[in-house]
Amino acid sequence: AQTVTQSQPEMSVQEAETVTLSCTYDTSENNYYLFWYKQPPSRQMILVIRQEAYKQQNATENRFSVNFQKAAKSFSLKISDSQLGDTAMYFCAFMTLNYGGATNKLIFGTGTLLAVQP
Amino acid sequence: ETGVTQSPTHLIKTRGQQVTLRCSSQSGHNTVSWYQQALGQGPQFIFQYYREEENGRGNFPPRFSGLQFPNYSSELNVNALELDDSALYLCASSLGGTAINQPQHFGDGTRLSIL
Repeated sequence: AQTVTQSQPEMSVQEAETVTLSCTYDTSENNYYLFWYKQPPSRQMILVIRQEAYKQQNATENRFSVNFQKAAKSFSLKISDSQLGDTAMYFCAFMTLNYGGATNKLIFGTGTLLAVQP
Repeated sequence: ETGVTQSPTHLIKTRGQQVTLRCSSQSGHNTVSWYQQALGQGPQFIFQYYREEENGRGNFPPRFSGLQFPNYSSELNVNALELDDSALYLCASSLGGTAINQPQHFGDGTRLSIL
């Protein structure tokens, strides 16, 4: 069974600084996706960034980038130039790559609450 | 493009009652997944519907059931409610089948409280 572990329940960063959120996962699969989702107090789960396991290049989306270490099963999120609007719960998630209409379910970690301080 | 919408926003029930939660998928999406998020936890997969058929289920008892309609909207039904069913219920839609690399888009959730 796949598991996702986020070992930092809470983190704090000053506005304009850089912060890194950690995530490790366990799987015997070779083809899968990894995601970071953001959940602000408004509750909606928003996709921040995703990484395909077969791609060696780390994904980037503007101020958000990942450090994907497949052998170590590590998937950290780096937020550069932190903004007040980045304050939210961040979830790391895993999804096995299934073909032919098989279930594509997300497995989430327990989340990291990030507070950006002015 | 219309996003994922869920109703109601909040709901209060008592133990033993039954509840129905509703989800309208994003335009063009044919797959709906339901998740339960207890307070302070990550979402847990309940089940997924693809083209009106259940397409995978998590570790939830049979009193959690669902439907998907021809327009791909979906319902989550929970019978014999228990205190531990208090949670945020999230619906996510995606384009399934062979389009397996499409991300899941979430609604705002329904907050269910059991008294």
